[in-house]
Amino acid sequence: KQEVTQIPAALSVPEGENLVLNCSFTDSAIYNLQWFRQDPGKGLTSLLLIQSSQREQTSGRLNASLDKSSGRSTLYIAASQPGDSATYLCAVRGGSGGGADGLTFGKGTHLIIQP
Amino acid sequence: NAGVTQTPKFQVLKTGQSMTLQCAQDMNHNSMYWYRQDPGMGLRLIYYSASEGTTDKGEVPNGYNVSRLNKREFSLRLESAAPSQTSVYFCASSARYGQYFGPGTRLTVT
Repeated sequence: KQEVTQIPAALSVPEGENLVLNCSFTDSAIYNLQWFRQDPGKGLTSLLLIQSSQREQTSGRLNASLDKSSGRSTLYIAASQPGDSATYLCAVRGGSGGGADGLTFGKGTHLIIQP
Repeated sequence: NAGVTQTPKFQVLKTGQSMTLQCAQDMNHNSMYWYRQDPGMGLRLIYYSASEGTTDKGEVPNGYNVSRLNKREFSLRLESAAPSQTSVYFCASSARYGQYFGPGTRLTVT
């Protein structure tokens, strides 16, 4: 059974710092990996998706990397801002990626950016 | 383009009552999913539907039933609600490249 772990569980940093969130998964046979953001009481917003054949994806100040063989992904946030405060979730999609495969989620990293 | 919509946003039930959570997507996706989110447990898959007319169990299906009414709509039914089903429920749909989530339904069972 796939298990996804996110470290740290919580992180508080001053505004402007660059930071790294970590995600690890136990079964390397994944189809893709997706990073989400969740604000309190809200739904999930997709940030980045990395296919299993890719090494990284970038969107603005966000960069996600994937090392499938070691079962790890990182989300890099550059020049953090108070608006980045949220819970960040990592999720993997297994198997062949056919539409039936649900996501396996980590428990998230709760990020606070201090003004 | 509304994406994934869910109704209701909030619901309070008494133990033993039944209700149906509604989900619809307008992105022409074949696959749809129901998850629940609980503190300390993360999001867990309840049921999914790979296409219209098919449904399959996920990690935590007990106490739930689903219906894939058509390509757009996927409903989740609680036949006899229990306090353990107090949770936030999310519906999602997916294309080949990622899943898209609705805003969630916060359900409390007393």
